[in-house]
Amino acid sequence: NAGVTQTPKFRVLKTGQSMTLLCAQDMNHEYMYWYRQDPGMGLRLIHYSVGEGTTAKGEVPDGYNVSRLKKQNFLLGLESAAPSQTSVYFCASSRITGEQYFGPGTRLTVT
Amino acid sequence: RKEVEQDPGPFNVPEGATVAFNCTYSNSASQSFFWYRQDCRKEPKLLMSVYSSGNEDGRFTAQLNRASQYISLLIRDSKLSDSATYLCVVKNTGGFKTIFGAGTRLFVKA
Repeated sequence: NAGVTQTPKFRVLKTGQSMTLLCAQDMNHEYMYWYRQDPGMGLRLIHYSVGEGTTAKGEVPDGYNVSRLKKQNFLLGLESAAPSQTSVYFCASSRITGEQYFGPGTRLTVT
Repeated sequence: RKEVEQDPGPFNVPEGATVAFNCTYSNSASQSFFWYRQDCRKEPKLLMSVYSSGNEDGRFTAQLNRASQYISLLIRDSKLSDSATYLCVVKNTGGFKTIFGAGTRLFVKA
């Protein structure tokens, strides 16, 4: 039982490049989330999903897209990376009760 | 004003000390409250939920004051392993909006 896993763990991109972050959970949770965490700020919700095939915008969705084609996977895409997207990205999943379980994070640097 | 505010600290305490953190929230419709713990360069992990009547889990006690819109976390008999950042988390009614505080850093020293 791996819980929530994320790939890759680290990535360096040049401005304008694209990439996809993969999140996978094996707890059969309906809900999945993508957050970013920046120094001095709390986790901020980028996008979330309440079930397979559904996605919705969070607090800071601009510059990101997501897809949830399978219940256990939630993908976060950056189409044209910008230095402002340098951050640590966390994926989480939960049941309806709202207690969220997080993956280990992806550290992204955009130069 | 931030929706969830915490004193960033750091709190520096000796082993065995009792330390308390407060967190205030601005949305009176908030319904669920949690404390998470985050170690340096790691993911947040749920420490405990916070119930209206207050609740205890070993050395940790959480309290909710709806009238004043704050929650607190008390750690008794601090251990070196308690050194971490503690995140206050508030979930609003009827949706998936979960607001994380920026965290309070705790250092427990020998």
